[in-house]
Amino acid sequence: QVQLQESGPGLVKPSETLSLTCTVSGGSISSYYWSWIRQPPGKGLEWIGYIYYSGSTNYNPSLKSRVTISVDTSKNQFSLKLSSVTAADTAVYYCARSPALFWSGGYYYYMDVWGKGTTVTVSS
Amino acid sequence: DIQLTQSPSFLSASVGDRVTITCRASQGISSYLAWYQQKPGKAPKLLIYAASTLQSGVPSRFSGSGSGTEFTLTISSLQPEDFATYYCQQLNSYLPLTFGGGTKVEIK
Repeated sequence: QVQLQESGPGLVKPSETLSLTCTVSGGSISSYYWSWIRQPPGKGLEWIGYIYYSGSTNYNPSLKSRVTISVDTSKNQFSLKLSSVTAADTAVYYCARSPALFWSGGYYYYMDVWGKGTTVTVSS
Repeated sequence: DIQLTQSPSFLSASVGDRVTITCRASQGISSYLAWYQQKPGKAPKLLIYAASTLQSGVPSRFSGSGSGTEFTLTISSLQPEDFATYYCQQLNSYLPLTFGGGTKVEIK
């Protein structure tokens, strides 16, 4: 079955750019939407944004100025870049798949497959 | 921005209890809602989408209902493996795909 694996540095310095990659295995990256979600220690979930395999994106307005999500279909990967990080960006970062089900006149962007998550700490 | 408010934020229950968790949206979202279960140190797991559709492989003791601004997740008979934190999420891409604050279900 489809599996997702996040990878990237576990420690990032303040003001620098956080970069993570999610590798999709056991299935194709095509025809799905792919999201990044994060969870600060002891807190709830925050959606960061998603990308369609074709490259179209949708970002959380609260992070939009700092976020870039890209896709590499040849490698079955998609990536997250978050610029100008601060300690508030310390979190577990998850990647996830959205089938974007079309039903009853609209698209439902639920997340049915998740990676295990990777911890990113922002500290000097 | 849309807000999703879950209540209660914490509940203590016994095995076999019927448990209900509520998610209220700050604006109407039709049936664009999902529920997830998260256990400590693990990724969230999809339980329900489109407010009431059970994800494949999820036990039938889980059910969802509601539309517009008020939604509920019900566990008909709580099992030991159900002790976890539950999150709702709105699914309409015209709005941020916001999550609720979570409801932690603990053993009484």
